[in-house]
Amino acid sequence: QLQLQESGPGLVKPSETLSLTCSVSGDSISSSSYYWAWLRQPPGKGLEWIGSIYYSGRTYYNPSLKSRVTISVDTSMNQFSLKLSSVTAADTAVYYCARHPLHHYGVQWYFDLWGRGTLVTVSS
Amino acid sequence: QSALTQPPSASGSPGQSVTISCTGTSSDVGGYNFVSWYQHHPGKAPKLMIYEVIKRPSGVPDRFSGSKSGNTASLTVSGLQAEDEGDYYCSSYAGSNTYVVFGGGTKLTVL
Repeated sequence: QLQLQESGPGLVKPSETLSLTCSVSGDSISSSSYYWAWLRQPPGKGLEWIGSIYYSGRTYYNPSLKSRVTISVDTSMNQFSLKLSSVTAADTAVYYCARHPLHHYGVQWYFDLWGRGTLVTVSS
Repeated sequence: QSALTQPPSASGSPGQSVTISCTGTSSDVGGYNFVSWYQHHPGKAPKLMIYEVIKRPSGVPDRFSGSKSGNTASLTVSGLQAEDEGDYYCSSYAGSNTYVVFGGGTKLTVL
């Protein structure tokens, strides 16, 4: 069964770098049909897309976070990762990984498979 | 503050219909037929319910339907069931710079 599973520290100190990994099971991350994405939801707020990556390494980033975000892919481990630098309390959120399709006519910006999410708290 | 505006709550009795709105601008909802809707039960993975305004993924009941008029998209749930209770989020493509934006979510209660 195809699943996405987020993992990483649940507590990060201000000014440090948040690092999360998404493990893909039941499918190959090297599939030519999908981009792999990170999203987040701060407590009591709506969802926010952070960025996406293709197995080739091609990335798209939210312009509001681009200066602090790096998304990478490890096809040998069937994983992709998120690094968010210089975090503040405003980065406290549930972080989700998800998948969105790539059709022959372009990237599709709907997310058809999600992980359950992992809460990351930024606090000293 | 979310880019797309949704009512914070909606409710209906079993068997009734309820519609949730999602208002954006001509730069997102109004400019593209790429609105999607997600159902989220806390602690679980969000689930895609509608994509490209009106399309339902395999396995989503036909009680769920989507529409759009101008800058406002809507999700209608007909024949409400207890299992439909949860949080619903809309999303839209927003062009080749911003890419995708979301609403703040609507908590649907089945009375």
